[in-house]
Amino acid sequence: DAMVIQNPRYQVTQFGKPVTLSCSQTLNHNVMYWYQQKSSQAPKLLFHYYDKDFNNEADTPDNFQSRRPNTSFCFLDIRSPGLGDAAMYLCATRGTESYEQYFGPGTRLTVT
Amino acid sequence: GDSVTQMEGPVTLSEEAFLTINCTYTATGYPSLFWYVQYPGEGLQLLLKATKADDKGSNKGFEATYRKETTSFHLEKGSVQVSDSAVYFCALVTGANSKLTFGKGITLSVRP
Repeated sequence: DAMVIQNPRYQVTQFGKPVTLSCSQTLNHNVMYWYQQKSSQAPKLLFHYYDKDFNNEADTPDNFQSRRPNTSFCFLDIRSPGLGDAAMYLCATRGTESYEQYFGPGTRLTVT
Repeated sequence: GDSVTQMEGPVTLSEEAFLTINCTYTATGYPSLFWYVQYPGEGLQLLLKATKADDKGSNKGFEATYRKETTSFHLEKGSVQVSDSAVYFCALVTGANSKLTFGKGITLSVRP
């Protein structure tokens, strides 16, 4: 089945130690999104790619970066994780034919 | 700007009870409307959608009708099951930026 895959499902990192989360998709969708979701809150959009075009949200901290080497893969890099960055990170994709977004299962990040 | 307002939660129901979760929106233009469901520890799954006024989205016994006159998209199910226990997010997208605007989400617990 076509799908959005996130690895790892659970990630533990130390305060200040860089960490990379990955997302891959078999849907061949043009658009890929990264969201941060904290407990009991709605997902918050960090940035998205439309093909190779990167679109950062105005309030996304510089500590968060992203790479999209090809259509299928997208990475979220957190350069110096703080305790406040502990959250669920969700990847989503969208094709150009509709506004539906398809979400992966998420990566739960713990910062110690 | 665009916004989505969901009724306050949490909601606790007995199995086979009738469910209504209210959702109203404010948007420029003509939004597409969505209900997403999030089971514990998982990503978001699209439950149903409607793209124009008077459209009814339906899936897994859930229904919601796009009411332009009342700017609402209330979610209903005639008989809930324990397996419906999850967090439900109402969301919209407009053509202006194609970004999802989420409501705060509501937790539904169904007891046997």
